[in-house]
Amino acid sequence: KNEVEQSPQNLTAQEGEFITINCSYSVGISALHWLQQHPGGGIVSLFMLSSGKKKHGRLIATINIQEKHSSLHITASHPRDSAVYICAVRSGGSGGSNYKLTFGKGTLLTVNP
Amino acid sequence: DGGITQSPKYLFRKEGQNVTLSCEQNLNHDAMYWYRQDPGQGLRLIYYSQIVNDFQKGDIAEGYSVSREKKESFPLTVTSAQKNPTAFYLCASSNRDSSLGSPLHFGNGTRLTVT
Repeated sequence: KNEVEQSPQNLTAQEGEFITINCSYSVGISALHWLQQHPGGGIVSLFMLSSGKKKHGRLIATINIQEKHSSLHITASHPRDSAVYICAVRSGGSGGSNYKLTFGKGTLLTVNP
Repeated sequence: DGGITQSPKYLFRKEGQNVTLSCEQNLNHDAMYWYRQDPGQGLRLIYYSQIVNDFQKGDIAEGYSVSREKKESFPLTVTSAQKNPTAFYLCASSNRDSSLGSPLHFGNGTRLTVT
């Protein structure tokens, strides 16, 4: 079973700062998800990637398959970015299904005004 | 707007009672999932269904049961056999396509407290 480690566990930043959250995993994967969990508990999918880099607004996700590592970056952070960010990896080969996902424990981000 | 609706948001039950958590989606997704979230742990898969009238156990299925009689609905029953039922329960859905998997769409969760 894949082991997924996120760092840091907690992160406090000032508004405007550049944020980086890291995710490492132990076994080769076919895809990696970044999720955002709001304080109320609902979860939103931010990115799904298998190589390279993706960008959406102020969010950037990168993955290095050889190093088994992914990063989520937030530029010009804002208090509304405060949430738990969760990394999830899909192990195994073809036959797409999310039942093969292994989730990290999450990174709690707090952005102060 | 398409989405996943979980109800209720908060649920309180006495020990020994079965309780059913509702999950409805109007995204026309084939696959649906139930996860449990506990403090300090990653989400863990309870049950999943890739198609109507079929479902499979996940990593922590003991003490839970599900049904998938309609594409839109995937209710989860927490039975009295579940030793530690107090948790936050999340329902999710996705398309059943591509070898890379598909983005997950989550509901807002149900927080179950059993005393």
